[in-house]
Amino acid sequence: QKEVEQNSGPLSVPEGAIASLNCTYSDRGSQSFFWYRQYSGKSPELIMFIYSNGDKEDGRFTAQLNKASQYVSLLIRDSQPSDSATYLCAVNGGQGAQKLVFGQGTRLTINP
Amino acid sequence: EAQVTQNPRYLITVTGKKLTVTCSQNMNHEYMSWYRQDPGLGLRQIYYSMNVEVTDKGDVPEGYKVSRKEKRNFPLILESPSPNQTSLYFCASSFWDREDEQFFGPGTRLTVL
Repeated sequence: QKEVEQNSGPLSVPEGAIASLNCTYSDRGSQSFFWYRQYSGKSPELIMFIYSNGDKEDGRFTAQLNKASQYVSLLIRDSQPSDSATYLCAVNGGQGAQKLVFGQGTRLTINP
Repeated sequence: EAQVTQNPRYLITVTGKKLTVTCSQNMNHEYMSWYRQDPGLGLRQIYYSMNVEVTDKGDVPEGYKVSRKEKRNFPLILESPSPNQTSLYFCASSFWDREDEQFFGPGTRLTVL
C-alpha cells in the first residue's frame, strides 16, 4: 500500500510568518507531487505541483522536492489569515495514470 | 463555465437502500475519479476511469460500483449502503495527461443510518 504521510496539525503560525508544511511518501517510484488547499466544507483546490528535485516558486508559495529522502514540502511566505485551511499532499506514481494518493492533510491556522 | 457537478449535495439514507450519486463534467475530460474523505484519513480513491467504458479500482472500491457509458458522466452507485460508507464524496476530472489540472466537484455529504 503506497502511503503519504503528513502531520495532521493543527499548525498555528502568526500572520506574516513563514508556514512550513511537510509530507513524506513511501513509493520511491513516485513521479509527480501536488499540494492542494481545502477550505472547510469546500472541495480541494490545486495550488502547487512539482516533478523535479529542488524548489519551485509561485508567488508566496514554494514547493520543495527531495526524491532521495522521499520528502516534499510547501512553504507559504508572508502568511495571511486567508491561508488558514487544510493542506493536502498528493503523490502520483504513474505518468498520466493519475492514481493520486493523498495524505491525511495538515490543518493550518494563521493568527492575526 | 467549466465545472464538475455532483448530485445530490447532501443525502441521508438508511442501510441497504440503493443510491446513486451523479457526477457530470462539461470539459470533455477523459479522466474521471471518485474519492471519499473521512476525518484523519484524507482523500481516498474509490474508482477511476480513463475513458468511456474503461474503469478501474482505486484504493477503497469495496461496496461501490461505477459506470462510464458517456464521457461526461461518471455515476457512483452504492447498491447496499452501510453506515461505514457515511462520508464526504468528491468527483474529479481532467484530461488524461493533465494531472496538474484536476477539477473537483463540490462534494456530496452522505449519511447512512
